[in-house]
Amino acid sequence: EDKVVQSPLSLVVHEGDTVTLNCSYEVTNFRSLLWYKQEKKAPTFLFMLTSSGIEKKSGRLSSILDKKELFSILNITATQTGDSAVYLCAVERKSSGDKLTFGTGTRLAVRP
Amino acid sequence: SAVISQKPSRDICQRGTSLTIQCQVDSQVTMMFWYRQQPGQSLTLIATANQGSEATYESGFVIDKFPISRPNLTFSTLTVSNMSPEDSSIYLCSVVTNIQYFGAGTRLSVL
Repeated sequence: EDKVVQSPLSLVVHEGDTVTLNCSYEVTNFRSLLWYKQEKKAPTFLFMLTSSGIEKKSGRLSSILDKKELFSILNITATQTGDSAVYLCAVERKSSGDKLTFGTGTRLAVRP
Repeated sequence: SAVISQKPSRDICQRGTSLTIQCQVDSQVTMMFWYRQQPGQSLTLIATANQGSEATYESGFVIDKFPISRPNLTFSTLTVSNMSPEDSSIYLCSVVTNIQYFGAGTRLSVL
């Protein structure tokens, strides 16, 4: 059974701090790892990672995948209150018909 | 990308009743999924909605409880039947174009 573990479960920081969120996984026939941001109900897509060592970057957010050690990190620099959300990691296996297995998420709170 | 319209946005229902959630996409898509997110939990896949055939359910979910329709490539419905308070969750539909996109979700509370 596929397994996705995120840490920490929750995190409180102050504006301007840098945070690192972790995602480790166990999946047979790995295809991709995805990061989503969930603020209210709908998860919004952040990154999709398929290759080791290649950093994906979008503004203050960046992510990288290590397929040897089976983990990914999501970095947020210069955090803002608008970054407060649950960050979800999900993995997809080959031949899964696009099904995703999600981790439990990291709840990030950014204080002014 | 895909624009997904999901409704209702939220509802409060009495136990024993049923609620049908609709999901409309702005383009034809092959794969549509229905997820449940119980309070404080992550997303769990309920089923894959297949066009022209019965939905494929994940372990722990059955058609009698969560009947799904997929009449065409842009629309699907999920019904939560004979509801109990344990069904209080966020229900999300998603579609796959190049990546998986999610609808805005339906927050269901069962009294």
